[in-house]
Amino acid sequence: SQQGEEDPQALSIQEGENATMNCSYKTSINNLQWYRQNSGRGLVHLILIRSNEREKHSGRLRVTLDTSKKSSSLLITASRAADTASYFCATDANTGNQFYFGTGTSLTVIP
Amino acid sequence: DVKVTQSSRYLVKRTGEKVFLECVQDMDHENMFWYRQDPGLGLRLIYFSYDVKMKEKGDIPEGYSVSREKKERFSLILESASTNQTSMYLCASIPGPSSYEQYFGPGTRLTVT
Repeated sequence: SQQGEEDPQALSIQEGENATMNCSYKTSINNLQWYRQNSGRGLVHLILIRSNEREKHSGRLRVTLDTSKKSSSLLITASRAADTASYFCATDANTGNQFYFGTGTSLTVIP
Repeated sequence: DVKVTQSSRYLVKRTGEKVFLECVQDMDHENMFWYRQDPGLGLRLIYFSYDVKMKEKGDIPEGYSVSREKKERFSLILESASTNQTSMYLCASIPGPSSYEQYFGPGTRLTVT
């Protein structure tokens, strides 16, 4: 299966700290995306990084991609209580419009 | 803004019932997807559709079927619901084959008793 895995499964930090979560996948990809899911809701797209990119920024988000290690990381800087959510990576695995999601990291930001 | 809506937020059905989950998007997107989400397993693709009346199996199509009679609507059908189909069901869409950002509906939490 191409399904990715996020690490850690759960993360708890204080407001203002940085949060880092990692994603590993198994086969070559065109791009990798990160999504956020608030409790019991649908997923919201955060950021996309293409396979020829190594780092990308969007506001307080920083994503890195290492295709040689088949891994990506999402860094959220200066976390806020509103960042409490589950975060998922998704890859397309060069198979067209089929996407593979990881198992998610549950982030809790304590005010 | 793209809006993806799902017919129910919560649904309780009995074993053996036929269940319809409906998804509608309002932005003329070509591709639509149905996932189920279970704790520890993440999102798994059930079916997707890249055009009206076209469908492709995902990773876990067994026990499910789909219908796409109109571009904006993609229905997931459980022919005979079973307790192992208790799950959160998420619908998503993307504009077309060269697009990657998926727009998700709010999800339907289905309980089969």
